[in-house]
Amino acid sequence: QQQVKQSPQSLIVQKGGISIINCAYENTAFDYFPWYQQFPGKGPALLIAIRPDVSEKKEGRFTISFNKSAKQFSLHIMDSQPGDSATYFCAATGAGTALIFGKGTTLSVSS
Amino acid sequence: NAGVMQNPRHLVRRRGQEARLRCSPMKGHSHVYWYRQLPEEGLKFMVYLQKENIIDESGMPKERFSAEFPKEGPSILRIQQVVRGDSAAYFCASSFGPSTSPGELFFGEGSRLTVL
Repeated sequence: QQQVKQSPQSLIVQKGGISIINCAYENTAFDYFPWYQQFPGKGPALLIAIRPDVSEKKEGRFTISFNKSAKQFSLHIMDSQPGDSATYFCAATGAGTALIFGKGTTLSVSS
Repeated sequence: NAGVMQNPRHLVRRRGQEARLRCSPMKGHSHVYWYRQLPEEGLKFMVYLQKENIIDESGMPKERFSAEFPKEGPSILRIQQVVRGDSAAYFCASSFGPSTSPGELFFGEGSRLTVL
């Protein structure tokens, strides 16, 4: 399978801080890059997504930054809250491939 | 609840038995995807189906695993002669259109298979 590499594997952030999760992809034909959030015992849920024709997308406290030339994209969570503690997955798709996920980042926001 | 419904939520099987996992997609969705999740390994794509058709099974193990999405009824992921390595959470997702379009995949809450 085409890979999507995600880092870090785990992240601890103080309440109010900024959480940053990075992903890199290989397939230049990918054209849709969503982030999913998963709470323990639940299925993943779409958080925010971006297409490569823009370099940034913001929805509330969540921002995706996209660097097409570097084949990298990242999720920034501003003013992180304990309720943001979850596992975050980046993903990519395009050119007839199914949605491919990174291995996930477990975020813990300490109060 | 109009979400993606998976059952059973938890399934225990002994080695060599068969496991059948069911998935009812969201109303109006005709695209179904199965993913397997192991700790620290993320979500691994297994198979993509539309009604009565397998579109992409590139992630399915060649043996013992099969999937179907009949004209009527839920999608079924079938694992024959289970082994301990099959223990995992299996997630089903559905979408209105194919995942290659900028549409959302809606996930169920998963079926957790434990093989003794």
